Amino acid sequence: DQQVKQNSPSLSVQEGRISILNCDYTNSMFDYFLWYKKYPAEGPTFLISISSIKDKNEDGRFTVFLNKSAKHLSLHIVPSQPGDSAVYFCAASNTGNQFYFGTGTSLTVIP
Amino acid sequence: GAGVSQTPSNKVTEKGKYVELRCDPISGHTALYWYRQSLGQGPEFLIYFQGTGAADDSGLPNDRFFAVRPEGSVSTLKIQRTERGDSAVYLCASSFSGRGTGELFFGEGSRLTVL
Repeated sequence: DQQVKQNSPSLSVQEGRISILNCDYTNSMFDYFLWYKKYPAEGPTFLISISSIKDKNEDGRFTVFLNKSAKHLSLHIVPSQPGDSAVYFCAASNTGNQFYFGTGTSLTVIP
Repeated sequence: GAGVSQTPSNKVTEKGKYVELRCDPISGHTALYWYRQSLGQGPEFLIYFQGTGAADDSGLPNDRFFAVRPEGSVSTLKIQRTERGDSAVYLCASSFSGRGTGELFFGEGSRLTVL
């Protein structure tokens, strides 16, 4: 059973505009959330994280929003750049050992 | 190098054969994870080591899969009697503490193809 879901397999955005990637989770015990970025033939690389005690975390062009009541988080990239084109995975943890990953959203930023 | 290193990067084997995949984590990272990623899916947890011991092996799909980390650094994932369904990219990751609140650093993965 998929505990972390990314319902949009792909997203295309014009360069300079905002990219919004969404993620939903089912386990209310999750209290730490991360976003990873993956280029072809490479392992995922950490992008940004958020603890459940916060509802927003910002790092440069990247902002993650957490809505605990809706069990939803989103990643905003603004302005989007062609180099942002990659597959983005959200992941969640309950401070245990396992990080549960979504199926990924492939972002294409069009120059 | 400074990152997580995995070997081999590609492995093609025949059904029924035995396979070993190696992971060399970042120096000083006590936690080590193995994940499996099938086509079109996200990474799926297999096993987690804290030091030398397997703290959580609940993700291993069956007893054909086994992993060791004898000295608390390098880990080997072992797959016996491989099946075509084992074909996937096997990702290794390490983290400083493994307390579920730190980022995982992933290797580039070992792509296993079982013919």
